[in-house]
Amino acid sequence: QKEVEQNSGPLSVPEGAIASLNCTYSDRVSQSFFWYRQYSGKSPELIMSIYSNGDKEDGRFTAQLNKASQYVSLLIRDSQPSDSATYLCAVRGSGDKLTFGTGTRLAVRP
Amino acid sequence: NAGVTQTPKFQVLKTGQSMTLQCAQDMNHNSMYWYRQDPGMGLRLIYYSASEGTTDKGEVPNGYNVSRLNKREFSLRLESAAPSQTSVYFCASRTGGDSRELFFGEGSRLTVL
Repeated sequence: QKEVEQNSGPLSVPEGAIASLNCTYSDRVSQSFFWYRQYSGKSPELIMSIYSNGDKEDGRFTAQLNKASQYVSLLIRDSQPSDSATYLCAVRGSGDKLTFGTGTRLAVRP
Repeated sequence: NAGVTQTPKFQVLKTGQSMTLQCAQDMNHNSMYWYRQDPGMGLRLIYYSASEGTTDKGEVPNGYNVSRLNKREFSLRLESAAPSQTSVYFCASRTGGDSRELFFGEGSRLTVL
């Protein structure tokens, strides 16, 4: 079992719709959770971080964390073509190691 | 405001050659990381350094060595390159501790023939 799992996609949504991206992790002691966005040929950039159960909202982005079920999700409201990218889930477990999922490719159709 | 700087950005090697990827950060971060990214594989951790003078193996350390030269610099060395090491390599750094953002360099694209 991989430490961090994501559906590779592609996830295709129409412009203006809600995109829902999911991630599960295996290490129960994980403390910190991150969503990174990566455009083709570029380096990842952080868009959301979440550390406690529940929802965290930042503009059009909402991160949701459920430690009991070991999943974290990212909702993108009012999706725009500029949101088309690969979204990487990252989890910090014990120590200083950050583990990434394989990423979900999102395509927003105009 | 350079952030994380990686050199070189592109490199072509022949099998068996050696090379070192350099990484430097100017944000006074404690932790530094080397990842490789292959199609469909996401980012895989090669080595990381939680502080100056310490290094630890990640998921895929075989065939690589690292040096945390000082707080700013963290280099990745391929002693005898293999075609399986063809990849995009990212260096990253962060403050350390419970949270904090991971800052990435622009990446180094390595091809081993």
